[in-house]
Amino acid sequence: QAGLTQPPSVSKGLRQTATLTCTGNSNNVGDQGAAWLQQHQGHPPKLLSYRDNKRPSGISERFSASTSGNTASLTITGLQPEDEADYYCLAWDSSLSARVFGGGTKLTVL
Amino acid sequence: EVQLVESGGGLVQPGGSLRLSCAASGFTFSIYSMSWVRQAPGRGLEWVANINQDAREKYYVDSVKGRFTISRDNAKNSLYLQMNSLRAEDTAVYFCATDGFDIWGQGTMVTVSS
Repeated sequence: QAGLTQPPSVSKGLRQTATLTCTGNSNNVGDQGAAWLQQHQGHPPKLLSYRDNKRPSGISERFSASTSGNTASLTITGLQPEDEADYYCLAWDSSLSARVFGGGTKLTVL
Repeated sequence: EVQLVESGGGLVQPGGSLRLSCAASGFTFSIYSMSWVRQAPGRGLEWVANINQDAREKYYVDSVKGRFTISRDNAKNSLYLQMNSLRAEDTAVYFCATDGFDIWGQGTMVTVSS
């Protein structure tokens, strides 16, 4: 099953802004948007944003999501060392009747 | 405390079977759709299956269709994944999660090897 496309890695400096992208198609991202999850090594994923780019309680305002057409984006402002992690997008694909993950982006904070 | 705890992982030979369990506590399990997600060593996340609140709707990733079965027991606040005809490529940490993905377990390791 085809997944969503994410850049394998992104590097940004401390306190800078990183924008991570997730490209799908009209059956997934373009239809219902995407959720974003953060995963630190050895830990389960953590939800950062969900449908309609909402943030769960407790998630910093430094994380914001948006969608334009078939591409979802996660913007992280004021990068901190603890933001260094893997980031995954996730969407429901109506043509597959399945959820699909992106391959993940490893964010390095320099 | 809101919690999901997986169990049942282990080492199994190719072609063998395992049944994973996920015990929920601290929230109303019966009103949530649930998912299983796996992560092979050093790899990304892969959604495996989900089940709606009353177990009438179940969906699977193509690679496990016909081999894995997701089920739930709302009276026991538990989610299950029956895995048959296991292959080496099924080796992964298996996580259970609410289908909104706001609650995750810590995962259980499944290793398929002879």
